Formats: sequence, structure tokens, C-alpha cells
Amino acid sequence: AQSVTQLDSQVPVFEEAPVELRCNYSSSVSVYLFWYVQYPNQGLQLLLKYLSGSTLVKGINGFEAEFNKSQTSFHLRKPSVHISDTAEYFCAVSGRGLTDKLIFGTGTRLQVFP
Amino acid sequence: SQTIHQWPATLVQPVGSPLSLECTVEGTSNPNLYWYRQAAGRGLQLLFYSVGIGQISSEVPQNLSASRPQDRQFILSSKKLLLSDSGFYLCAWNSLSNQPQHFGDGTRLSIL
Repeated sequence: AQSVTQLDSQVPVFEEAPVELRCNYSSSVSVYLFWYVQYPNQGLQLLLKYLSGSTLVKGINGFEAEFNKSQTSFHLRKPSVHISDTAEYFCAVSGRGLTDKLIFGTGTRLQVFP
Repeated sequence: SQTIHQWPATLVQPVGSPLSLECTVEGTSNPNLYWYRQAAGRGLQLLFYSVGIGQISSEVPQNLSASRPQDRQFILSSKKLLLSDSGFYLCAWNSLSNQPQHFGDGTRLSIL
């Protein structure tokens, strides 16, 4: 079974500053990893995914994440945030078996201030 | 392209009333379907998932039930709503269970 931990429930940051949202996972098998964004009163939107290959994954809206197998992490980064990036961010993990389901973290609230 | 629809977008119901939330997917066949609940300021709680017509798995025992009468239709129901059923309900689908899920816009349910 897999589990995922998002250590920061809230991350405040000023506009144009860099940001990192942390995600750590636990699994006894190889995994797929995902980041989602949720704007207020909306569903979740896929930001990026790691399935295989390059450990640096680029997604939409200028976000990227790096898969670190030795540290079992998949942190999300953006070099310069905008007010519009204010949202809830969810990390998710799944095993690679065909019956494995996505397991979501508890989310990190990114608040960007002017 | 594939799309997912949820309705209604918002719903206000009295305690003890019944509930029916509907989710439909277009542009794909035999999707895996999921119902989640998101309480205020909380993460996602998986309620039900389905891998085919009539096949429902419940993750959490509760006051709710789910049904899948057609391949791309997933319904969340309750016979008598409780105050604790308030929340934001999200439907999602994917083609394989370990692949990214695609979410609907959600239903905001308030119980009075």
C-alpha cells in the first residue's frame, strides 16, 4: 500500500517569490506521482505527473516537480508565483499495478500576497 | 475529447431529506468512476469507486450509497441526510485505476 504526506498545510508567499510545496510518499513498490491544483469551488485539475523517464517533470502554469527516489519525495516548485496561483495543491501517489488507486495527500493551501 | 459533468452545482437540503447527485462522463467507455467528499478545509475522502456497471466498492461506511446504472453514469444517494453530510462532493474518472483521475466541477451540499 502507498501513502503520501504533505507536511505543510499552508504556505504563504509574496508575489514573484519562488515557492516549494513538499510531498513525501511511502511505498514498497514503484510508483506514479501526481500534483493537482484546486481553485475555490472547483474540481481538481492535473498540474503534472511522473510516470517514468526524466525525474524533472514540467507541468502547466510554470510549475515543475522533481522525483527523488532516495528521499521518496516529489516536491512542487515554481520560480516566481502570481496572485492567480493562490489555490489548494494536492499530491497523489499510486502503485503501478492495474488495480492500484490514487492516494491523495491532505493538501497544501498556497496563499500568494501582493 | 472526454468530459465529465456533475449536477447540481449547489444544493441546500433539510436534515432527513433524500439526496441524489449525478455524474456522467462522455467520450470514453468503461471508465473507472469515483465519488469523493471534501469537508471544509479538509482533504479528499474517497467514498465509492466503480470499475463497471453495477460494481460498487465502498471505502467508508456511512449514510450514503452509490449506483452505476449505465456505463458512464454514477449516482450518489442518501435516504435521509445528516448534518455531517455537508461538504463538497466530487466525481472523477480514469481509464486505468493507477492513472490520473479527471474531476468534475463538484457539488456544494449544505444541510440545514
